[in-house]
Amino acid sequence: SQQGEEDPQALSIQEGENATMNCSYKTSINNLQWYRQNSGRGLVHLILIRSNEREKHSGRLRVTLDTSKKSSSLLITASRAADTASYFCATLPGEGAQKLVFGQGTRLTINP
Amino acid sequence: DAGITQSPRHKVTETGTPVTLRCHQTENHRYMYWYRQDPGHGLRLIHYSYGVKDTDKGEVSDGYSVSRSKTEDFLLTLESATSSQTSVYFCATGGGTQNIQYFGAGTRLSVL
Repeated sequence: SQQGEEDPQALSIQEGENATMNCSYKTSINNLQWYRQNSGRGLVHLILIRSNEREKHSGRLRVTLDTSKKSSSLLITASRAADTASYFCATLPGEGAQKLVFGQGTRLTINP
Repeated sequence: DAGITQSPRHKVTETGTPVTLRCHQTENHRYMYWYRQDPGHGLRLIHYSYGVKDTDKGEVSDGYSVSRSKTEDFLLTLESATSSQTSVYFCATGGGTQNIQYFGAGTRLSVL
């Protein structure tokens, strides 16, 4: 079963705007990760946030984690056409676990 | 995709035939994974390996087997392909305390 549920399933915005994607999960986690997938390619790791962290930044990416609500959000600021891709959250359920559980993804389209 | 090679990249086969997909890594990662990606389902884990000759099932393992005779190679076999196994298959490596995963470019398999 899918641990992560992402919202929205698809998002279309204008270049320069900010994009926000959300991920909810069901069980306790060790960490939560976000991946990007360009069309026809494999997934690429973007950012990881540990269960004891609330916010993390990497370049134009900002990730928040609310363990009380079992949810996370990924914010991409000042979007570019090259950000067009699918974005997946993945959870690592528990310390020592070696299997990530992926959500179904959000398809992001940046319009020029 | 760096360091992980999947072969073949595309394959068309007939129902009932055996199919083997290969994943080769140059990263010397202990853990290797096979996922399938289907519309509406995100990535689902088929099997994974935590060392040479050490493998375990994922959530959608029925109809699939795996083997790992060397650290760098992880094979996925469909003993008798069915149309429901038409999908895009991804290999990944990773593991460790955070389990950040690195993906190959994928194999698109069509079973007619």
